[in-house]
This record gives sequence, structure tokens and C-alpha cells, in this order.
Amino acid sequence: QKEVEQDPGPLSVPEGAIVSLNCTYSNSAFQYFMWYRQYSRKGPELLMYTYSSGNKEDGRFTAQVDKSSKYISLFIRDSQPSDSATYLCALGGSNYKLTFGKGTLLTVNP
Amino acid sequence: KAGVTQTPRYLIKTRGQQVTLSCSPISGHRSVSWYQQTPGQGLQFLFEYFSETQRNKGNFPGRFSGRQFSNSRSEMNVSTLELGDSALYLCASNIGGGSIYEQYFGPGTRLTVT
Repeated sequence: QKEVEQDPGPLSVPEGAIVSLNCTYSNSAFQYFMWYRQYSRKGPELLMYTYSSGNKEDGRFTAQVDKSSKYISLFIRDSQPSDSATYLCALGGSNYKLTFGKGTLLTVNP
Repeated sequence: KAGVTQTPRYLIKTRGQQVTLSCSPISGHRSVSWYQQTPGQGLQFLFEYFSETQRNKGNFPGRFSGRQFSNSRSEMNVSTLELGDSALYLCASNIGGGSIYEQYFGPGTRLTVT
């Protein structure tokens, strides 16, 4: 079983839709949870960072962590064509190392 | 504040050669991490440095090495290049304090091995 599983998609939605992106993990040692957005031919850009169970909101983005189920989610409200990118979940423990999901390719159609 | 910079941006090498990639972190950041990104394996951790000390290393062969200088700039070296080393190599920096995983990535160096 891989440490982090992420549905690769691709995911295609109309503009204005609510998008749900998810990752599951198997290692209880993960304490830090991040979401990155990566546009084609660019480096990943940090979107959300949290270290506790529950929800964290930032504008149109909400990150949700459920440590008991080992499940993390990113919700995008009122999705825009500019949100079209690959979204990567990343998890960290106490060893200064980030473990990434494979990424979900999202396309938001105008 | 300037972001993470990586040089060169693109590189073509021949199998058996060696290569050195450079990373300059965000000013004031003391932690630098390196990752390899390929379509098949995704982003994989190579190593992390803080104050010139390697704190962790990923599961890569010894051909992959790195170092960090006193000004926090970092280099990674790959010796005896193989075709499978073709990838996007990403550097990320972190302030090195409390939020150890608030990492900011550079644009990457795209290495092609022929």
C-alpha cells in the first residue's frame, strides 16, 4: 500500500462548479498536510498548509483533514478557468521530508 | 522578496556524464529540499539541508548527492547519468523555523539524458 494515494483524474468541470480533491494516507506519523497547485511547466505553488484535523478556509479554497480516517480534501468553490492545473497533496512527519500524492489534473471549462 | 531560483532551467546531457544543479533559496530561508518529478513516479524526495547539514535523504542511489553552503545556497550533483534520470528537478526552501513544511518551490531544472 502506498503511503499517499491520490486520484489522478483527469477531472473536468464547468466554470462555477464546486471541486472536491482528495487524498488518503496510511502512515499515522504524518502530522502536516499541504495542498500545492502546479501549472504546466512551473514549480508547485503552496495553496494551503495545516497541521490539525478540521477545516481551514482561504478565500475560495477549503482544506479539510480527518486524521481518524486518514483522509484529506481540498474544496474549490466557484471554480474558474484559471484554476485549471494539477493539484498535489503533500504530507509531512517529523523527518523533514514531504511525501506527495501523484496529483490530480483539473480542467475548468468556461 | 525574490522567490526560489534554480539554474540552469534546461539541460541536455549524455548518458554517463555528470551534472550539477544549483538552487538559491528565498532570502532568510535556511532549509533547502530537493525533489525529482517524473510522470510515472510523481514528486519524490531526494534530500533536505539545514545550516549546511543533511537532515534526511530519500531512497535514491549514491549517484545523487547534494550540499549546502553557508549562504544557504544549495547544489545537487548526479554522477554517471542514466536515461532514467531524465526528470524535472525541483528545489524548495523553508525558513527553517516553526512551520517546517511551509515549503516554496522554484521553477525547476528540466534535465534530459540522451
